Amino acid sequence: GEDVEQSLFLSVREGDSSVINCTYTDSSSTYLYWYKQEPGAGLQLLTYIFSNMDMKQDQRLTVLLNKKDKHLSLRIADTQTGDSAIYFCAERGPMNRDDKIIFGKGTRLHILP
Amino acid sequence: EPEVTQTPSHQVTQMGQEVILRCVPISNHLYFYWYRQILGQKVEFLVSFYNNEISEKSEIFDDQFSVERPDGSNFTLKIRSTKLEDSAMYFCASRVLAGYEQYFGPGTRLTVT
Repeated sequence: GEDVEQSLFLSVREGDSSVINCTYTDSSSTYLYWYKQEPGAGLQLLTYIFSNMDMKQDQRLTVLLNKKDKHLSLRIADTQTGDSAIYFCAERGPMNRDDKIIFGKGTRLHILP
Repeated sequence: EPEVTQTPSHQVTQMGQEVILRCVPISNHLYFYWYRQILGQKVEFLVSFYNNEISEKSEIFDDQFSVERPDGSNFTLKIRSTKLEDSAMYFCASRVLAGYEQYFGPGTRLTVT
């Protein structure tokens, strides 16, 4: 079945770039998402990429998609202490099939001073 | 900015009791969802709801679970007879008719003792 995998922890120095990686199994995924969860808060949609794109940039965020390898990454430039959170990679299937979003376990980003 | 709200933020209940978790989706949204996240595990899809009926449900969503849109604003998840393993964070989400973004609420932490 569909699965999304990502590493559980990442530590980055403040000011450096953070790169969070994710792999997924469903080759028919249409949208791939990055959600952010701060302590005690809900899931905030950070950014998404449609499956026919390779890259999407949105201010400090860059999403790269390698559809052949089913690999998705999120790069956060100039990482700040406010970026400390859990980042979930997620995907959904074709619009005419499943509507559910499949999440990874989340990567906890820790910012070092 | 409109947001999905959920009440209560934390619910403690005894095993075997019924609980109702409440959500108010964003007002012009037509698709509604429940997901759950057991501590330390992935966010899992439970059910999607459109046009006053369930459009998709997961294996987790058995006969103990039900959803309802009792009026024009609320969307509820009922667990008839709670089990210890129902302890989790429950997230409600909603989206517009032709949208790809599911907007999540802050979650209700359910603790079954």
